[in-house]
Amino acid sequence: QVQLVQSGAEVKKPGASVKVSCKTSGYTFSDYAIQWVRQAPGQRLEWMGWIDTGNGNTKYSQRFQDRVTFTIDTSANTAYMELSGLRSEDTAVFYCAREKRGGFDYWGQGTLVTVSS
Amino acid sequence: DIVMTQSPDSLAVSLGERATINCKSSQSVLYSSNSKNYLAWYQQKPGQPPKLLIYWASTREPGVPDRFSGSGSGTDFTLTISSLQAEDVAIYYCQQFYSSPATFGQGTRLEIK
Repeated sequence: QVQLVQSGAEVKKPGASVKVSCKTSGYTFSDYAIQWVRQAPGQRLEWMGWIDTGNGNTKYSQRFQDRVTFTIDTSANTAYMELSGLRSEDTAVFYCAREKRGGFDYWGQGTLVTVSS
Repeated sequence: DIVMTQSPDSLAVSLGERATINCKSSQSVLYSSNSKNYLAWYQQKPGQPPKLLIYWASTREPGVPDRFSGSGSGTDFTLTISSLQAEDVAIYYCQQFYSSPATFGQGTRLEIK
């Protein structure tokens, strides 16, 4: 069965970086893009961007463009999201999700990133 | 950016009754070349990731109960739950992917009356 399993919760200081992993299984990794979504406490879902798992091409939301990097390791069927220059407002749950045409059909369990001095 | 606005923000419905959630986009999300509305609906329960319910505005995701249906086109969309069950208590989000960034509505909290 399709699964996306994310790395565990992180606590970071302001200005630091965080790297979240998203390990996939149960399907051909390169057949579906991976999307990244942020959800701050009590806030709506916020799209961060996506990575084409076939060729590594990326598209970032302008809101995160200067601070985020998506990468993949095709040998491990894993996608990564790295966010730098963390600030308190980045405290949130970060999700990876598989994109099928029309929607995001499978999601990781979420990774809580807490930014605190 | 396309702004997605849902109404109401919260809704309380009796078990077995109909629940209706609306979503309005600030511009059309209908792609004329394939006549598809780039609009999806998700359900999110506490402590869980969102779950895809409806895509292309009206196509039910496999495994989603048929009490969930989506309708609308262009800028105005509706998610309907025909007979509310206790397990439907959740926050519901619409999302457009017509243009980048793929924006979500603010969510509608659905509760039992």
